[in-house]
Amino acid sequence: KNEVEQSPQNLTAQEGEFITINCSYSVGISALHWLQQHPGGGIVSLFMLSSGKKKHGRLIATINIQEKHSSLHITASHPRDSAVYICAVDETSGSRLTFGEGTQLTVNP
Amino acid sequence: GAVVSQHPSWVICKSGTSVKIECRSLDFQATTMFWYRQFPKQSLMLMATSNEGSKATYEQGVEKDKFLINHASLTLSTLTVTSAHPEDSSFYICSASRGAGYGYTFGSGTRLTVV
Repeated sequence: KNEVEQSPQNLTAQEGEFITINCSYSVGISALHWLQQHPGGGIVSLFMLSSGKKKHGRLIATINIQEKHSSLHITASHPRDSAVYICAVDETSGSRLTFGEGTQLTVNP
Repeated sequence: GAVVSQHPSWVICKSGTSVKIECRSLDFQATTMFWYRQFPKQSLMLMATSNEGSKATYEQGVEKDKFLINHASLTLSTLTVTSAHPEDSSFYICSASRGAGYGYTFGSGTRLTVV
């Protein structure tokens, strides 16, 4: 079992739909990260969370430390949101990221 | 915001030659840099962690003599793939951190093809 699990693995949506990607982890963490990887391969850090909720534009990330669960929401999705979204955690026992398998999001016009 | 420049973005080399990939933090001092390898449709695999002025710490199964990492300054780390072979063809990406709690900034990645 992976220490960080994401669902769904693949997600196809129509433009304008509300999207949720989930992440569950089984280790103690100091922070959780949501990353976006575009088809060219470059990775952008979207959020770093240790508690609560953060919002940036149409993106919202939440984390429940007790339940060891985080969600990434995209409101009013757009084709340019099409990318792989990766959940990663900073384990308290170490100094490196542990990654989920990623969620491939495709938003159709 | 924090920016990490990685180049080249792609490189094709002949089998047996060496290739150097550079990662440079442009507007912050990166105390730690991480080098990852990614195969198609797979997640990032950590190869090594380097702290400025120290020897890199390699993950199990990564050959330190094949993947040479140098972190000579707080803004520059290099990965050299020595005596490259076709099986080394992959996507390599770095990330940099200025310390605990600051998060990570990723480079744009390098697609290496060995022919």
